Amino acid sequence: AQSVTQPDIHITVSEGASLELRCNYSYGATPYLFWYVQSPGQGLQLLLKYFSGDTLVQGIKGFEAEFKRSQSSFNLRKPSVHWSDAAEYFCAFLTTDSWGKFQFGAGTQVVVTP
Amino acid sequence: SAVISQKPSRDICQRGTSLTIQCQVDSQVTMMFWYRQQPGQSLTLIATANQGSEATYESGFVIDKFPISRPNLTFSTLTVSNLSPEDSSIYLCSVETGNYGYTFGSGTRLTVV
Repeated sequence: AQSVTQPDIHITVSEGASLELRCNYSYGATPYLFWYVQSPGQGLQLLLKYFSGDTLVQGIKGFEAEFKRSQSSFNLRKPSVHWSDAAEYFCAFLTTDSWGKFQFGAGTQVVVTP
Repeated sequence: SAVISQKPSRDICQRGTSLTIQCQVDSQVTMMFWYRQQPGQSLTLIATANQGSEATYESGFVIDKFPISRPNLTFSTLTVSNLSPEDSSIYLCSVETGNYGYTFGSGTRLTVV
């Protein structure tokens, strides 16, 4: 079965500290992988996506993610978080046989403390 | 990339009534997608709406409860019918914007009382 797992429901991080959000997927091939952020009362904003090529992907707002095929993972990182990074983060994937139909993880809520 | 205007942004509705949500895109798109985000949950796809054909619903969602219209390539509506408190959710539309990018509307927060 196809699925996306975000093991951490909630993460608290100090401002200026590094952040890593985990994402694992289950699919028979390599899906198209995405990270979205949802700020309170807002829609979803795309941070980055991976389809092929370089496994380290750079996104907006200083985020990057690394695709590891052997671990079926696509973890999101940021070296130094800002208070404005407090939000909910969703990992998601698409497959070519269900194009346009995202499968989302449960989300990770990030809280940034002073 | 495409810009989506989704309306209303929020509403409070009585049980048994219906709410129609609109998504207007600033460019022509083939497919539009409707998602539901229940409180504290992730997003779940409700249906795919192609212009000129019936919407395709995902398992667990039916047309009588979630009728969708797609009259042209820039507009779609989702109606949530016969509302119950369990329908209290955020509803979002999404479109493909090219280069494998997808844009989401800002969402409609529905509260059923």
